[in-house]
Amino acid sequence: GAVVSQHPSRVICKSGTSVKIECRSLDFQATTMFWYRQFPKKSLMLMATSNEGSKATYEQGVEKDKFLINHASLTLSTLTVTSAHPEDSSFYICSARAPPTGWSNQPQHFGDGTRLSIL
Amino acid sequence: SQQGEEDPQALSIQEGENATMNCSYKTSINNLQWYRQNSGRGLVHLILIRSNEREKHSGRLRVTLDTSKKSSSLLITASRAADTASYFCATGFKGGSEKLVFGKGTKLTVNP
Repeated sequence: GAVVSQHPSRVICKSGTSVKIECRSLDFQATTMFWYRQFPKKSLMLMATSNEGSKATYEQGVEKDKFLINHASLTLSTLTVTSAHPEDSSFYICSARAPPTGWSNQPQHFGDGTRLSIL
Repeated sequence: SQQGEEDPQALSIQEGENATMNCSYKTSINNLQWYRQNSGRGLVHLILIRSNEREKHSGRLRVTLDTSKKSSSLLITASRAADTASYFCATGFKGGSEKLVFGKGTKLTVNP
């Protein structure tokens, strides 16, 4: 259980293009999803927390207008990189957290990531 | 910074040996989690240990947590070549925050 599907796995596109990445929880409902960015040989950097039915909460330094997040349902969140430029090239990973059971926090379950390359 | 820090940054061992990775953090936590990442892939959750727990096992994995020292360790016993991956600790904080803060990871190489 707790499978998260992220699509596409790889995108190569020209500078100025907008790119949409989808993150779906396949077998559970996720009221909260998270979007991360990972640079080569580095850790994951949280970009934003996506809440179903409300606006995403962005981390400091992350441009809201550049990285548009929509969480339209309990199983789908999307990240759109608008007018992408070469410096936006990176590995983007989403995660979804299953609802808590009692007082317990639940682990985050991750998609396989999207390798974005902007030429 | 609240970021966890793994130690060592890289570890190379022979199959069958045990691998120990450490993680230190700076603030009070609700839980600490260990994840594994194969090259170019997403993260796989391994173990979650709560702040009131000291040790947890899962198969060949053993995690310890010492909140007085703000540190945790991940032990992989009888390692296999398939264990080759990067391992990250992530801390969840008190105060209701759902965010995890990831360390920089330990790159483990298990040589056959």
